Amino acid sequence: QQQVKQSPQSLIVQKGGISIINCAYENTAFDYFPWYQQFPGKGPALLIAIRPDVSEKKEGRFTISFNKSAKQFSLHIMDSQPGDSATYFCAAVYNQGGKLIFGQGTELSVKP
Amino acid sequence: EAEVAQSPRYKITEKSQAVAFWCDPISGHATLYWYRQILGQGPELLVQFQDESVVDDSQLPKDRFSAERLKGVDSTLKIQPAELGDSAMYLCASSEQGRWFFGPGTRLTVL
Repeated sequence: QQQVKQSPQSLIVQKGGISIINCAYENTAFDYFPWYQQFPGKGPALLIAIRPDVSEKKEGRFTISFNKSAKQFSLHIMDSQPGDSATYFCAAVYNQGGKLIFGQGTELSVKP
Repeated sequence: EAEVAQSPRYKITEKSQAVAFWCDPISGHATLYWYRQILGQGPELLVQFQDESVVDDSQLPKDRFSAERLKGVDSTLKIQPAELGDSAMYLCASSEQGRWFFGPGTRLTVL
């Protein structure tokens, strides 16, 4: 059973546009929601993370929106750049130090 | 910045052979994880260590996979015998204070 569902599977955006990736979770015990960026041949790298007591978190061009009642969260990449082209994974953890559970991933391609 | 080290980066083997992967976590990180990432999917946890003890190996196929972290520092993941379906990226990660750091992975191809 997939505990974290991610969509879309792939996304093509023009340079300067907004990229939006969505995730939904089932387990209300999750208390930490990170997003990871992965380039080909590399391991995932932490991009930004949020806790469920916050509805939005922004770091530079990256924003997480969190809807606790709907059990959904999303990543917005503003002013998308070709260098943002990568695979993005949402994830969830229940009590920090526990198991990190990943979504299926979104392959983002930003066209110049 | 300190990084998680893994070797080898690439491994090609024939089915029924034995393979082993090595991981050196960030110094001082007590928690170490092995994940398997099949192409086009998210990483899935195989085993979690706290120091030298296994905390969670519920998803580790124990008939052919084994993992150890004898001194609570570096770790080895072994597959014997390898099967075609084991072709994947094997990622090692360590964590501290709720932050996970991943190594570059070992890309395994089983022929």
